[in-house]
Amino acid sequence: DGGITQSPKYLFRKEGQNVTLSCEQNLNHDAMYWYRQDPGQGLRLIYYSQIVNDFQKGDIAEGYSVSREKKESFPLTVTSAQKNPTAFYLCASSPRTSGGLTDTQYFGPGTRLTVL
Amino acid sequence: AQTVTQSQPEMSVQEAETVTLSCTYDTSENNYYLFWYKQPPSRQMILVIRQEAYKQQNATENRFSVNFQKAAKSFSLKISDSQLGDTAMYFCAWAGAGSYQLTFGKGTKLSVIP
Repeated sequence: DGGITQSPKYLFRKEGQNVTLSCEQNLNHDAMYWYRQDPGQGLRLIYYSQIVNDFQKGDIAEGYSVSREKKESFPLTVTSAQKNPTAFYLCASSPRTSGGLTDTQYFGPGTRLTVL
Repeated sequence: AQTVTQSQPEMSVQEAETVTLSCTYDTSENNYYLFWYKQPPSRQMILVIRQEAYKQQNATENRFSVNFQKAAKSFSLKISDSQLGDTAMYFCAWAGAGSYQLTFGKGTKLSVIP
């Protein structure tokens, strides 16, 4: 089955610890994205990547880092610098076209991160 | 900055009835894309429908249709013959042509009542 997987579904960490969220896709999509969702809010873009070894900051990149060493993988690290990391994190991917975003973003099932 | 506004935080509809969810957006661009995503209790985001701004015709997908009013910057979603499985958060989203960034509204929580 083609799709996007995120693991784990629930993650608990102590304050001050870095934590890495996994995102893998087998859709052969070039572009991948990380969003954060807080209660009563829409999704906010953290980082995105159009191709391997390249990524750009979104609206709320502070306290987060990413890597894109493989086309199918786009892990997100939540660092201790992130002031309020408890949230629901969604990964997405889309085909890349020459004109930019002209196709749909497909989402993974998400990871709920709770920092204690 | 582009903004997307969903003015109805919560709505309810009787099963088999029709409901319309509102969305307005603010942009100075002429070419862009609009989306409605559904997020059921499982929290998986699912695309419901997509509209290209350069197309006059309103998009439809089975029981879901949109009323796209470009001049008014309005993009409402109509759900016909509502089903219990339609119960979810619905998010309106905007993306500029040539942009990789989706801007989301804050969502409308829809409850379908049996």
